[in-house]
Amino acid sequence: DTAVSQTPKYLVTQMGNDKSIKCEQNLGHDTMYWYKQDSKKFLKIMFSYNNKELIINETVPNRFSPKSPDKAHLNLHINSLELGDSAVYFCASSQNRDPTEAFFGQGTRLTVV
Amino acid sequence: EDKVVQSPLSLVVHEGDTVTLNCSYEVTNFRSLLWYKQEKKAPTFLFMLTSSGIEKKSGRLSSILDKKELFSILNITATQTGDSAVYLCAVGVGGNTGKLIFGQGTTLQVKP
Repeated sequence: DTAVSQTPKYLVTQMGNDKSIKCEQNLGHDTMYWYKQDSKKFLKIMFSYNNKELIINETVPNRFSPKSPDKAHLNLHINSLELGDSAVYFCASSQNRDPTEAFFGQGTRLTVV
Repeated sequence: EDKVVQSPLSLVVHEGDTVTLNCSYEVTNFRSLLWYKQEKKAPTFLFMLTSSGIEKKSGRLSSILDKKELFSILNITATQTGDSAVYLCAVGVGGNTGKLIFGQGTTLQVKP
């Protein structure tokens, strides 16, 4: 059983398109995150939700909109994709907003052409 | 601005060598320091440290935190080719948000 699963694993799309990445966790955690890893392997937090409530929004462009329909899901929608959005996006989850042992998904490699 | 810096950025060793990876940090509200190993895909958790001077150990890996000097080290003894990976250091910061600030990672390559 995969603890944190993301779909799709790979996404290649053209500039200007809109795309979504889905994330689900079956760990019973109440906090979920989106991280972006650039080409230099630098992981940076984008968003965090706790029980469907947004608690972190790290100066991410408005083109990125997270949606949490329930505490087990945190989806990421990106409008008007740009070349600079190309990266690996990781979903993660933890319990009680505690970053201890945050579990990460396998990542979604987004390539914008 | 909160910052986590790892060194070296990359390292090539031979099997059997011992390596030490460094992580220094400057953050406003420290809660914990975590080490992750990232092979091809998801980072996997290695250690969490919250107290100075207490070594955490798991097999050939060990780590220690110095909260006065604001750094941590990760040691790997008797390295194996399977230890080849990117090692990420992250600092959990306060405000009860679960936020992690990551360093840029150290890429370790272990040659046979």
